[in-house]
Amino acid sequence: NAGVTQTPKFQVLKTGQSMTLQCAQDMNHNSMYWYRQDPGMGLRLIYYSASEGTTDKGEVPNGYNVSRLNKREFSLRLESAAPSQTSVYFCASSEWQYSNQPQHFGDGTRLSIL
Amino acid sequence: DQQVKQNSPSLSVQEGRISILNCDYTNSMFDYFLWYKKYPAEGPTFLISISSIKDKNEDGRFTVFLNKSAKHLSLHIVPSQPGDSAVYFCAASLSNDYKLSFGAGTTVTVRA
Repeated sequence: NAGVTQTPKFQVLKTGQSMTLQCAQDMNHNSMYWYRQDPGMGLRLIYYSASEGTTDKGEVPNGYNVSRLNKREFSLRLESAAPSQTSVYFCASSEWQYSNQPQHFGDGTRLSIL
Repeated sequence: DQQVKQNSPSLSVQEGRISILNCDYTNSMFDYFLWYKKYPAEGPTFLISISSIKDKNEDGRFTVFLNKSAKHLSLHIVPSQPGDSAVYFCAASLSNDYKLSFGAGTTVTVRA
């Protein structure tokens, strides 16, 4: 049982390039999330999808777009990468979008933008 | 402005002793709190949670205490084991909401 799978694990981009981070979960969860983690800060929510067909902005959505492709997959796109988007990105899922249902995280994508 | 703060970036403890991790929050509306554990190169994993209607929740070696008046919670690990060496994140939320506010994390090192 893989849980939440993120690809790629590492990526280096040049400023202005575009990139899509992929996330898939096999737990039949309804809600999915994208976070970023920066040094000295906790995880910050970029976008979330409460259920298939819906997406909404989180705390730091600027510079990102998302697609909930189906119930399993939720992708994050950087249209024009900037050095400030260098971070570790985590995808997560939960059965529903309520905080008392713990979120399950993938192992992250380490993204460096030069 | 961070609504959840973990003021100790790191903690070193001897194997077998108690680890105490602290977390403070500023939003008095938060009513659900979680702790996540994270190993290097892995994602966070859920550890334990507590609702504001309780002041203590226990799961094996892990106990979370909540002091609502002080807006403070703590995680106790007894006894500490080498496998407990990890980063621990505190998170807070409204129980009917999706949004988790995370602290910056505390790195725990358990010494043999």
